[in-house]
Amino acid sequence: QKEVEQNSGPLSVPEGAIASLNCTYSDRGSQSFFWYRQYSGKSPELIMSIYSNGDKEDGRFTAQLNKASQYVSLLIRDSQPSDSATYLCAVKDYGQNFVFGPGTRLSVLP
Amino acid sequence: DAGVTQSPTHLIKTRGQQVTLRCSPKSGHDTVSWYQQALGQGPQFIFQYYEEEERQRGNFPDRFSGHQFPNYSSELNVNALLLGDSALYLCASSLGTPDNEQFFGPGTRLTVL
Repeated sequence: QKEVEQNSGPLSVPEGAIASLNCTYSDRGSQSFFWYRQYSGKSPELIMSIYSNGDKEDGRFTAQLNKASQYVSLLIRDSQPSDSATYLCAVKDYGQNFVFGPGTRLSVLP
Repeated sequence: DAGVTQSPTHLIKTRGQQVTLRCSPKSGHDTVSWYQQALGQGPQFIFQYYEEEERQRGNFPDRFSGHQFPNYSSELNVNALLLGDSALYLCASSLGTPDNEQFFGPGTRLTVL
């Protein structure tokens, strides 16, 4: 059974701070890793994808991947109240199905 | 460029009934995946369609079936509805390549009474 784990939160950070979201996965054959943001009552929105070890930056977002530790993270710099949402980690192997974690609820306090 | 669309937005059914949900993929995408998302949980993979065939299937019973049409749009059918089938049903489209990214539609909220 392939598993993706995340802390459910809520993770509360003050406005302007760095939010750090973590995800671990069980399948060493996993090849592609994704972070989605989901606002309450809405569908998931793709934020970042990462495929190789190291960091990948896009604006205020940085995804970090460590395949040896089976760990992927998302950093949000200069957090804004509009970043308050549930963040879903998704992992894909050589097959075509994605396995999602349960999500971490982030609350950015003004 | 139209994104992924789904219909209907909301649906209320009673136990034992059957339901059909519809999805049109993002322009240029050929692969459609369906997910079930219960409240407070991450999406659970139901199945994926590519070239009009079911390519992968998650751990869902045969009551869940689907179809993909030549224009890549897709349907999800659920028979003999149970109360536990109440959830947000998400369709995601992608290109059928190894490093594909999936983009989600707005979802269909199904309530089974």
